[in-house]
Amino acid sequence: SAVISQKPSRDICQRGTSLTIQCQVDSQVTMMFWYRQQPGQSLTLIATANQGSEATYESGFVIDKFPISRPNLTFSTLTVSNMSPEDSSIYLCSVDRPSTDTQYFGPGTRLTVL
Amino acid sequence: ELKVEQNPLFLSMQEGKNYTIYCNYSTTSDRLYWYRQDPGKSLESLFVLLSNGAVKQEGRLMASLDTKARLSTLHITAAVHDLSATYFCAVDKGSGSRLTFGEGTQLTVNP
Repeated sequence: SAVISQKPSRDICQRGTSLTIQCQVDSQVTMMFWYRQQPGQSLTLIATANQGSEATYESGFVIDKFPISRPNLTFSTLTVSNMSPEDSSIYLCSVDRPSTDTQYFGPGTRLTVL
Repeated sequence: ELKVEQNPLFLSMQEGKNYTIYCNYSTTSDRLYWYRQDPGKSLESLFVLLSNGAVKQEGRLMASLDTKARLSTLHITAAVHDLSATYFCAVDKGSGSRLTFGEGTQLTVNP
């Protein structure tokens, strides 16, 4: 398995502010992924973060709203910018483990925007 | 665009009974994943299925994959209360492990 930690685990934020979520992995990985899970919903991929290159965003997600950094092979951040109540969700990072052909998920960051 | 559909979305079962959750997907894919999510928790990996005809079993859960039919099943045998959770299937979009998830099946096992 993979040991993935996220900070913060939860936060309550005011409309119009920004929050940066951190994801740390216990070993080097090529790609890290960021997902969003809206209340009572399934997961939706936001973007793929490769070290040394710009993140690749899925349809419906843009860099200005969700800027991502990937400074090294064990760490990534996702910023949720200019937040609105519609951004209230759980944000999860994930990584592949080729040795097990499995994608593992972090514990998630539960964000509430008032 | 890849679409992944699960059914049923809600399942209430009695302990000791058997049932199957279905996962259909719309385009060819290399791999299919099953995850479990408990309330307020993250996702726990259950199975990854890599080829047509693949079958994997762990305890009371068995997953299978038919790539020709674009269908995976998660079979529950002799359900117990501890299996109550939401189960998601997810399909690799085919480039770089980007996953598309089904809607999830909320399973409740009643004593």
